[in-house]
Amino acid sequence: DTAVSQTPKYLVTQMGNDKSIKCEQNLGHDTMYWYKQDSKKFLKIMFSYNNKELIINETVPNRFSPKSPDKAHLNLHINSLELGDSAVYFCASSLGGDYNEQFFGPGTRLTVL
Amino acid sequence: QKEVEQDPGPLSVPEGAIVSLNCTYSNSAFQYFMWYRQYSRKGPELLMYTYSSGNKEDGRFTAQVDKSSKYISLFIRDSQPSDSATYLCAMSGDYGQNFVFGPGTRLSVLP
Repeated sequence: DTAVSQTPKYLVTQMGNDKSIKCEQNLGHDTMYWYKQDSKKFLKIMFSYNNKELIINETVPNRFSPKSPDKAHLNLHINSLELGDSAVYFCASSLGGDYNEQFFGPGTRLTVL
Repeated sequence: QKEVEQDPGPLSVPEGAIVSLNCTYSNSAFQYFMWYRQYSRKGPELLMYTYSSGNKEDGRFTAQVDKSSKYISLFIRDSQPSDSATYLCAMSGDYGQNFVFGPGTRLSVLP
């Protein structure tokens, strides 16, 4: 059974388009996260949700909007895609507010042309 | 100075070697220290989790934390080709405050 799953695995799109990445966890965790990993492999937190409420919103452009329909899902919608958005996006989850033991999804590789 | 620094590597060692991976940090409020392993084209997975200073051992892996020097290490004994991955340190204060990953060290263990 997949604990944290993301779709799609690969996403290739043109500049200016709007796209969404979906994340689901079946671990019963309360907290979910979105990370961006750039070409230098640096993993940076973007958002954190606890029980469908936003608790971290790092300095990311307004074009990025997370949506949590329920505590098992955290989707990432990106408007007006730019070349610099090309990266691997990881979803993660943890039990309660324990940031320290996070379970990561397989990642979505986004390429903006 | 970056909040967490880590030698990016790549680090190449022969099979069976002892590997030492290190991170330094600047925030004295950090209390929790983690090591994650990330295989190519996969998500990171938690390897070791320690609180405050001291050592923790799990099989071939030993994590050390020296808060007075703001320095943490991960030792891998009898390294195997399957240990080839990027190792990321991570740390946080109480209640996950200021949680941050290091930039990662890429390790290759050669058969």
